[in-house]
Amino acid sequence: DTAVSQTPKYLVTQMGNDKSIKCEQNLGHDTMYWYKQDSKKFLKIMFSYNNKELIINETVPNRFSPKSPDKAHLNLHINSLELGDSAVYFCASGFSYEQYFGPGTRLTVT
Amino acid sequence: GENVEQHPSTLSVQEGDSAVIKCTYSDSASNYFPWYKQELGKRPQLIIDIRSNVGEKKDQRIAVTLNKTAKHFSLHITETQPEDSAVYFCAASSGTGNQFYFGTGTSLTVIP
Repeated sequence: DTAVSQTPKYLVTQMGNDKSIKCEQNLGHDTMYWYKQDSKKFLKIMFSYNNKELIINETVPNRFSPKSPDKAHLNLHINSLELGDSAVYFCASGFSYEQYFGPGTRLTVT
Repeated sequence: GENVEQHPSTLSVQEGDSAVIKCTYSDSASNYFPWYKQELGKRPQLIIDIRSNVGEKKDQRIAVTLNKTAKHFSLHITETQPEDSAVYFCAASSGTGNQFYFGTGTSLTVIP
């Protein structure tokens, strides 16, 4: 059940701060993703990394930057946090057509 | 790019009744259509999927149908149970670059 893991599970921080969310997968998948789920439950893809190379960037603010030190990890760095960044962030990993989500990180910006 | 629409946004059914959720997509290159179930406070989990070379797929009480010509696919849940209550997402992917496009979700409530 820990195939895709994220830390931390909850993150509460103030506006203007910089924070990071870590993601790791042990499935040996080639592709990892970051999604943002807002209060209305909409799931929006933010980034996708295929074997350490960015292949999607869905026009998110450049305050968000994904970093992939290796195929098993995709971390999300967020600079100058804003109130509107409050959401649940899901990491996912995939192979071919399938995709598996991590448990999510609930980010609250105050 | 792909655009996936999902209806209805909320659905309430009596326990034991059937539930149907419908999605349409715009990109004829999409060839993989998964359905995810997200329980409150949990991660989305894949419950069933279908590829474009198949018209219907069934797994116990859930089934998915695909009409490629009309570009729509549906999730059918029979004999609903309270534990089926969750938000359900459809998605479409062409496989190219592994891009997934999600619908806006359907909140299903099964009334005991």
